Amino acid sequence: KQEVTQIPAALSVPEGENLVLNCSFTDSAIYNLQWFRQDPGKGLTSLLLIQSSQREQTSGRLNASLDKSSGRSTLYIAASQPGDSATYLCAVSHWLNAGGTSYGKLTFGQGTILTVHP
Amino acid sequence: DGGITQSPKYLFRKEGQNVTLSCEQNLNHDAMYWYRQDPGQGLRLIYYSQIVNDFQKGDIAEGYSVSREKKESFPLTVTSAQKNPTAFYLCASSIYRTETQYFGPGTRLLVL
Repeated sequence: KQEVTQIPAALSVPEGENLVLNCSFTDSAIYNLQWFRQDPGKGLTSLLLIQSSQREQTSGRLNASLDKSSGRSTLYIAASQPGDSATYLCAVSHWLNAGGTSYGKLTFGQGTILTVHP
Repeated sequence: DGGITQSPKYLFRKEGQNVTLSCEQNLNHDAMYWYRQDPGQGLRLIYYSQIVNDFQKGDIAEGYSVSREKKESFPLTVTSAQKNPTAFYLCASSIYRTETQYFGPGTRLLVL
């Protein structure tokens, strides 16, 4: 059974710091990994998606890396800002067969609550 | 605007009552999903549907039921059999057999 763990559970940093969020997963048979952002009481917004054949993806100040063989991913946020404050969720995708069909299942970590203070 | 809508934003359930959460999408996506999120935890899959008139149980389906009569709609009923229904419920959709899921804004269910 796939399990996803995120460390740390919470992080508080001053504005301007570079920071790293960690995600680990137990089954390396994934076909992609995604990082999501969730604001309090809101839905999820996809930030970055890394295919299993890729090593990293970048979007603006965000960079996500993937080491599938060791079951690890990191999300790097450069020059953090108060607007980056949110919960960051990591999720891995893998195909499952059920009821005669196959579907892509997302397994989520518990999230890292990030607070960036001015 | 294309997207996923969920209603209501807050829902209150009385003891022994069934309640239904609405999820509608106009993205023309085939697949739809329901997740439950508890405080400090990630999302857990309740039910999913790949096409109209077909749906499958996820990891925590007990106490829940769904229907998929239209491509755009995937309502979730929280039955009285669900003894701990207080949570944040998220609906998502995706193009069939692709990896990117798009999420709605969520419904918070509270028990009176």
